[in-house]
Amino acid sequence: DAGVTQSPTHLIKTRGQHVTLRCSPISGHKSVSWYQQVLGQGPQFIFQYYEKEERGRGNFPDRFSARQFPNYSSELNVNALLLGDSALYLCASSYPPGRPSSGNTIYFGEGSWLTVV
Amino acid sequence: GQNIDQPTEMTATEGAIVQINCTYQTSGFNGLFWYQQHAGEAPTFLSYNVLDGLEEKGRFSSFLSRSKGYSYLLLKELQMKDSASYLCAVKDTDKLIFGTGTRLQVFP
Repeated sequence: DAGVTQSPTHLIKTRGQHVTLRCSPISGHKSVSWYQQVLGQGPQFIFQYYEKEERGRGNFPDRFSARQFPNYSSELNVNALLLGDSALYLCASSYPPGRPSSGNTIYFGEGSWLTVV
Repeated sequence: GQNIDQPTEMTATEGAIVQINCTYQTSGFNGLFWYQQHAGEAPTFLSYNVLDGLEEKGRFSSFLSRSKGYSYLLLKELQMKDSASYLCAVKDTDKLIFGTGTRLQVFP
């Protein structure tokens, strides 16, 4: 079974540009979350989507947006990139919230390393 | 507020046992996760606790006390490959709140 897949794995952008990161969840998982991890810190929650609807949003500016598609894959978009957006962007996949087994099946993809210069 | 505390760094010797502690204060609680993260890689799932007590999985065990807002990860028979960061995370409704991680170095 394929795990959570993310693309691209590494990318370099210049300040002011736009970036789109993609994520495909584990087969059967309907919930996707995005996290930002700056070097030396733990991941910070950005968004959670379930059934194409936003279920939660972290403390990030409106430059960050996301969406989920009918096949449960997801995109994270960041506009007007800043140097401080340089980080590892992680996608997490889980079963629908509320199911008995949902709590112990949150898995991360390999991440997308974004460098803004 | 949301606060998760864990030691920044720990060192141990190959073959030994190490305990990594985590204390938390969060507005909600739907379980506590431990992840392992090697340098330059994504976090990998180690354990999940939602009820008080000890969960054992091979060389790794995780303990939770909800009344004390406390958890620990116990690693036995340490191997060099266990050198990594260990992240404690509380699930609050639909999101995970992470600590800054504990960097464990295992020496021969």
